[in-house]
Amino acid sequence: QVQLVQSGAEVKKPGASVKVSCKASGYTFTSYYMHWVRQAPGQGLEWMGIINPSGGSTSYAQKFQGRVTMTRDTSTSTVYMELSSLRSEDTAVYYCASQSGLVSWFDPWGQGTLVTVSS
Amino acid sequence: QSVLTQPPSASVTPGQRVTISCSGSSSNIGSNTVNWYQQLPGTAPKLLIYSNNQRPSGVPDRFSGSKSGTSASLAISGLQSEDEADYYCAAWDDSLSGSVVFGGGTKLTVL
Repeated sequence: QVQLVQSGAEVKKPGASVKVSCKASGYTFTSYYMHWVRQAPGQGLEWMGIINPSGGSTSYAQKFQGRVTMTRDTSTSTVYMELSSLRSEDTAVYYCASQSGLVSWFDPWGQGTLVTVSS
Repeated sequence: QSVLTQPPSASVTPGQRVTISCSGSSSNIGSNTVNWYQQLPGTAPKLLIYSNNQRPSGVPDRFSGSKSGTSASLAISGLQSEDEADYYCAAWDDSLSGSVVFGGGTKLTVL
């Protein structure tokens, strides 16, 4: 079945960058879009952006424009989300979530990666 | 401040029915389908309802969704203790360059 496995927790200092990976299995990697969604402690879900693994095109939420970069490696069926200029407010669990090309919903989701930004 | 508006919490006793609302606008719910996600404590969100009212395989028929105009609702009947979770509505938004917007989430407590 479709499965998304994310990289482990990270601790970063303010101003640094973090790169989170999401490895897909169980389907044709280039057939599903991949989204990134984050959740700050005790807060709701926040959409960050989308990458099309087929051609690598991306679209980011306005809030993260200029700070986020989403890439993919088709040889390993892995997508990456890099967030730069980290600040304490970026402390959150970051999820990848897949979307089949013709539908609007996310299924499945990765297990989440906790990124802690602290000096 | 979330684009879609949900009540922050709801409390129900086992066996009863609860409805969670999700209010949006013409650019999101008004022109796109609504999906619902369930997030059990300490876990990743899971798809619960898609395309306004469709249940994925494995989701009990106690869960149902509906949409009217710029609002949507999630109903859960015959509540069970394992239904205690956070529930989020989501939709694409045409006014935000093809972004996805979420509700702020509703924490459901089964008393």
